[in-house]
Amino acid sequence: DARVTQTPRDKVTEMGQEVTMRCQPILGHNTVFWYRQTMMQGLELLAYFRNRAPLDDSGMPKDRFSAEMPDATLATLKIQPSEPRDSAVYFCASAAGNEQFFGPGTRLTVL
Amino acid sequence: GQNIDQPTEMTATEGAIVQINCTYQTSGFNGLFWYQQHAGEAPTFLSYNVLDGLEEKGRFSSFLSRSKGYSYLLLKELQMKDSASYLCAGSNDYKLSFGAGTTVTVRA
Repeated sequence: DARVTQTPRDKVTEMGQEVTMRCQPILGHNTVFWYRQTMMQGLELLAYFRNRAPLDDSGMPKDRFSAEMPDATLATLKIQPSEPRDSAVYFCASAAGNEQFFGPGTRLTVL
Repeated sequence: GQNIDQPTEMTATEGAIVQINCTYQTSGFNGLFWYQQHAGEAPTFLSYNVLDGLEEKGRFSSFLSRSKGYSYLLLKELQMKDSASYLCAGSNDYKLSFGAGTTVTVRA
């Protein structure tokens, strides 16, 4: 049963700390997305990759966020330094065609 | 952006029909997705419309009018498990712009 996996599922950290979230896309999917979901803003696209190359990261605060795909089986999203306003659920999704498959999300709380 | 607009909440009775409307601005529009999201879970794909007309899939149907920038999701024979948020999303290439979601509550 192919699915997107994300780690950690929950993360509580203090303001100023570095946070790294990881995603394993579905094998064979060549497009990977990072989204953030909050009650106020809903689901927002942060960045996406196709064939491991970053195509669009315009939704991401550049000064503190970075997204990479070191290889086809791993995508990472880093926040450094983290701030309380970064508290949200971060979803990774992957796609081979039009349909995006979402991972279970990482619930981040920055105190 | 595609400025997706959909109602915030809807309530319906078990066994009834509910229609969730979605309007969007068509800049760079390719197609229209509907996703279902239960509380505390990830969004799951329901439908994708790229051509005008109605796509039926079991109890769920989705309609698109490209000229009007309008779509709806029709949920028939509502069940308690259909209580969830329904997200409308416009696509531009692979990029999705999501609406805020419509929370549907199904009552017995």
